[in-house]
Amino acid sequence: DAGITQSPRYKITETGRQVTLMCHQTWSHSYMFWYRQDLGHGLRLIYYSAAADITDKGEVPDGYVVSRSKTENFPLTLESATRSQTSVYFCASSDGGTGAYEQYFGPGTRLTVT
Amino acid sequence: EDQVTQSPEALRLQEGESSSLNCSYTVSGLRGLFWYRQDPGKGPEFLFTLYSAGEEKEKERLKATLTKKESFLHITAPKPEDSATYLCAVDVGSQGNLIFGKGTKLSVKP
Repeated sequence: DAGITQSPRYKITETGRQVTLMCHQTWSHSYMFWYRQDLGHGLRLIYYSAAADITDKGEVPDGYVVSRSKTENFPLTLESATRSQTSVYFCASSDGGTGAYEQYFGPGTRLTVT
Repeated sequence: EDQVTQSPEALRLQEGESSSLNCSYTVSGLRGLFWYRQDPGKGPEFLFTLYSAGEEKEKERLKATLTKKESFLHITAPKPEDSATYLCAVDVGSQGNLIFGKGTKLSVKP
């Protein structure tokens, strides 16, 4: 089915472990984004990508790594998970990088770091 | 500093009781203002984009308006299925990065 998918939907991991969250979109959108959503903070941008092999930091990038070797995939890696990274993570994509293009969001991954 | 503030944080309405949600912003250069709806356990769902002061857009019972400093989401004769958190976001032109407000949680009781 067309759209944007995330996996896993739920993940529990221990402090210090590496975790990778997957994001896949079928629209061939050029831009992709990773956000985290926490109570009291709303949605905050972690990283974004304008195209394959082009990535840049958002508001809260520390502790996260991204890559984009293919247009349709944008994985997010927590190299050494910490409790403060417990959150709901959303991937989004859009057809452009300006206000003319709305972002479409995936269903989210709920990550718990114990 | 670019900022987006939504009010109220929560709003409880009776079915059919119209009201408005507010999104005020202080940004250096607005390129677009977006409204999203988010249901529990789901990702935000796109509703509207507004670009310039005076612009209005409608979809079913929802109408979004924009001024130079704020946007309103008017809900006319709401139904219980309109219950959700409504998010406002602004694009200030930096590679499409959005700054989100914290949202208004709307509950519509039958």
